[in-house]
This record gives sequence, C-alpha cells and structure tokens, in this order.
Amino acid sequence: KAGVTQTPRYLIKTRGQQVTLSCSPISGHRSVSWYQQTPGQGLQFLFEYFSETQRNKGNFPGRFSGRQFSNSRSEMNVSTLELGDSALYLCASSFNRDSDTQYFGPGTRLTVL
Amino acid sequence: KQEVTQIPAALSVPEGENLVLNCSFTDSAIYNLQWFRQDPGKGLTSLLLIQSSQREQTSGRLNASLDKSSGRSTLYIAASQPGDSATYLCAVSLGDYKLSFGAGTTVTVRA
Repeated sequence: KAGVTQTPRYLIKTRGQQVTLSCSPISGHRSVSWYQQTPGQGLQFLFEYFSETQRNKGNFPGRFSGRQFSNSRSEMNVSTLELGDSALYLCASSFNRDSDTQYFGPGTRLTVL
Repeated sequence: KQEVTQIPAALSVPEGENLVLNCSFTDSAIYNLQWFRQDPGKGLTSLLLIQSSQREQTSGRLNASLDKSSGRSTLYIAASQPGDSATYLCAVSLGDYKLSFGAGTTVTVRA
C-alpha cells in the first residue's frame, strides 16, 4: 500500500506570497493532520480533518488554512508568507480515530526569502 | 496544555549497547502515546503505539513502556546498531485529534 505523499517536496517563496501544499493520505485513511516543524519550536499541530470537517486547530494565525476533499486528499494554504513560516510541513494520516497509528509523509520543505 | 519532555536531548553510544530514551508528559489523561523515528530532513516513521490501557508494546528490538500515573514512557532499543542513529520523538494524544510532541532525543550509534 502506498504511503502518505506530499507535493511539492521543496518550495521557495518570497515574503508576501501565498502557497498551497498538498497531501494524499494512505488509501482508506479518512483523517489527515498537518504539522509544522522548525528547529526552534519543534513539531507543532496545525489542524486535523476528517470527512471534510476540521475537528481541531492549533494556535496558528488565520493566514494558515486547510481543507479536505471528498477523496480524503488535503491541502493547506499559507497566505502573506513571512520569513518565520520557513519550515518542514508534515502531513499525517490515520484510518479513523485517535486510537490509530499516525503515518507521516516525507514533508514539504518551505523556504521563505 | 500538554507538555512533553524528552531527556536527554542527545545520546552517543558504541554499537551493541542498549539504548534507553525517556519521555515525560504533564497531563496523565492521555489517550495514547506514540514513538517515532526521524532521519535528517525526512518525515516521521512510527515505531510503536501504546494505548492508555496498555503498559508496554514490543516490536523486534524495540520495547516501549508506559506509566500513566507518573507521566512517563521509556523506549528501549536493544543491541544498538549504526542504523539506529536518528532522532527519536515521543508524542501523546489527549483524544482531541492532535499529537503533542517532545523535542526529541538525537541518537548516534558509533561503529
């Protein structure tokens, strides 16, 4: 079974631009979560979606948004990029509930210049 | 707010030695705890998932214990190998569809 895939793998943007990252979960998984990883803050939760509904959201500004499609694929968008948004963005999927193992993708490395 | 702490931050051992990695959390009402491995610049690989009702989980050379009452989990890696060099992260869930991660322990196994 194919793992979690994320596209693109690398992105370079300039301040003020916006970016969209994509995540395809493991086939049959309905829950998708997003995390931001930086050297200073470590891994921080962004949001989680299940059946196109956002069930939880982390403490990030409104510039960070996401959505999930009917096929469980998910996208996250960051508008008005800031230098501090440079990070590895990781997507994770699981079958259903919190009791299930989270499977992570390889991440998208975003660099904001 | 759940705080997760991993000590030590880094560890270097000779090949063959057993590894002991510690994770502590402040809110004992956890739903489950997961241990992950992360290689430089890569995503996370799940190693073990322990449900709140379990005391330990084993997979090959890996064994993880969970003591909810004291807010601690320990990951044991037996007979370490150079390929075990990576950063190990623990993450806890309170049943709110998110994981709270520790900062990780970076392990170097010297050949």
